Amino acid sequence: KQEVTQIPAALSVPEGENLVLNCSFTDSAIYNLQWFRQDPGKGLTSLLLIQSSQREQTSGRLNASLDKSSGRSTLYIAASQPGDSATYLCADSTGGGNKLTFGTGTQLKVEL
Amino acid sequence: GAVVSQHPSWVICKSGTSVKIECRSLDFQATTMFWYRQFPKQSLMLMATSNEGSKATYEQGVEKDKFLINHASLTLSTLTVTSAHPEDSSFYICSAAGDTYEQYFGPGTRLTVT
Repeated sequence: KQEVTQIPAALSVPEGENLVLNCSFTDSAIYNLQWFRQDPGKGLTSLLLIQSSQREQTSGRLNASLDKSSGRSTLYIAASQPGDSATYLCADSTGGGNKLTFGTGTQLKVEL
Repeated sequence: GAVVSQHPSWVICKSGTSVKIECRSLDFQATTMFWYRQFPKQSLMLMATSNEGSKATYEQGVEKDKFLINHASLTLSTLTVTSAHPEDSSFYICSAAGDTYEQYFGPGTRLTVT
């Protein structure tokens, strides 16, 4: 059974810092891996999707990498802003690409 | 594009009553819809997967007679929590997928059972 773990569980940084969020998964036979953002009491916003054949994806200040062999993905946030404060979830897709297994989440707080 | 809505956004009901939550894909046809549950400070747990016109597939440990899922059209799926109890209080999120495997998530429904 696929297990997805995120480290750290919580992170507090001053504004402007570059930071890295980590995601690890036990089954490397993934179809793709996604990073989501969730604001308190809200649904999910998809940030980046990396197909299994890709190594990384970039969108603005966000860069996500994927290393299937080591079972890891990282989300890099450059020049963090208070508006980046949220919970970040990674999820991978296995079994034909239909089913998502979510990580435990990293709660990020960016302080002024 | 790829907008998914949920209704209601929050609901409070008394123990023993049933509650229906709707999930709609507004601008695409969703061949598959997923229902997740999220308890406070926890991640999303998949409850069931439904394909239009067929019975839902439930995850291990999810009671299919308690959580009734109907996916009657390519734009609508409903989750009915029957005989709700306080332990069913949670945040329920749906997602929808079309021809690609990418899932688009609804805004969630907060259920509180008193």
